[in-house]
Amino acid sequence: GQSLEQPSEVTAVEGAIVQINCTYQTSGFYGLSWYQQHDGGAPTFLSYNGLDGLEETGRFSSFLSRSDSYGYLLLQELQMKDSASYFCAVNYGQNFVFGPGTRLSVLP
Amino acid sequence: GAVVSQHPSWVICKSGTSVKIECRSLDFQATTMFWYRQFPKQSLMLMATSNEGSKATYEQGVEKDKFLINHASLTLSTLTVTSAHPEDSSFYICSALAGSYEQYFGPGTRLTVT
Repeated sequence: GQSLEQPSEVTAVEGAIVQINCTYQTSGFYGLSWYQQHDGGAPTFLSYNGLDGLEETGRFSSFLSRSDSYGYLLLQELQMKDSASYFCAVNYGQNFVFGPGTRLSVLP
Repeated sequence: GAVVSQHPSWVICKSGTSVKIECRSLDFQATTMFWYRQFPKQSLMLMATSNEGSKATYEQGVEKDKFLINHASLTLSTLTVTSAHPEDSSFYICSALAGSYEQYFGPGTRLTVT
């Protein structure tokens, strides 16, 4: 079956760097995506890894290693507004499976 | 980025009634839209995949006769919760697929069934 695991909560301070891991027990997927969701809001797309390696978008970077069955989202220069839930998701064509989400709290 | 709207943003209905939720892609055409259900502090649970002009594909355990999905145009998909019951109370979110992997989500609809 398809199974993704994420830490349930992560806490960090402003200005720090934090890594949110996503491990999975599935194969044959097209790619790994990351979404951010603030409380009461809609998820917003952050990044996508179709190939192994690092993708950088501003303060956010995402990494995928299919051989190690994991990926991560790296957030640099943390800001208070980064406090949110972060979901990884794999897709098989148009079929998407989301991870359980990681709640990030950024402290002053 | 692309914008997806959802209406209504919240609705309260009585048990046994039906509720329709609309999902619109405002500035792009979406062949594929998704409907999710989300419980507090939990992940997104895919209910069904909606493809324009064809029948929706429902996930296992989702009653297609209870959650009616219609994707009549490239910019509009609707979800109708028929004969709603209190256990159907939840946050329903739609998304539209842009390209092959990027989903744009609507703001969600909070349904409360009394």
